[in-house]
Amino acid sequence: GENVEQHPSTLSVQEGDSAVIKCTYSDSASNYFPWYKQELGKRPQLIIDIRSNVGEKKDQRIAVTLNKTAKHFSLHITETQPEDSAVYFCAAINAGGTSYGKLTFGQGTILTVHP
Amino acid sequence: NAGVTQTPKFRVLKTGQSMTLLCAQDMNHEYMYWYRQDPGMGLRLIHYSVGEGTTAKGEVPDGYNVSRLKKQNFLLGLESAAPSQTSVYFCASSYKRGSGEQYFGPGTRLTVT
Repeated sequence: GENVEQHPSTLSVQEGDSAVIKCTYSDSASNYFPWYKQELGKRPQLIIDIRSNVGEKKDQRIAVTLNKTAKHFSLHITETQPEDSAVYFCAAINAGGTSYGKLTFGQGTILTVHP
Repeated sequence: NAGVTQTPKFRVLKTGQSMTLLCAQDMNHEYMYWYRQDPGMGLRLIHYSVGEGTTAKGEVPDGYNVSRLKKQNFLLGLESAAPSQTSVYFCASSYKRGSGEQYFGPGTRLTVT
């Protein structure tokens, strides 16, 4: 089955700096890679996703890159703000295969943005 | 459109007690999932369902049972609670032929003493 490794487990930055979180996956058939943000005491919510036919996707201050050959993908947050502080999870899936929608999640990264 | 809802929000059980967590979704999703979230462990899949009347085991199914008698509801049962089951439980749902995006409920914080 799929295995997703996420690094770092904790990340501390100053407001205005950039933050990068990296994930690697094992199943070359995986073709959908979402990122979820979970604020303290709240549910995980999708913030951005990327499909295997795309190398990069941006949405305002956040971007995701995918390297299919190396089987890794990364989340980039620019101009970080205190409200970006949360736990971020990457995930992978072979959407449309026999995975029945089961996402494999990374272990999570606790991002703290200091004012 | 409420999305995915869970009841209860909080619960404290004594070891050996039983309880049922209810998940409901109003998006007509075929797939539903139960996860547990522990510090440093991320989200681990307990059981899932690909349609009404069907269930399957996930990564950590021991000590839990599930049922999906109606498409919109997915129940998670603990027959004899143990302290190791102290966790935050999330339900999620997704479309069968969708992007793969899962929609999460607000979570249930369970403490077993």
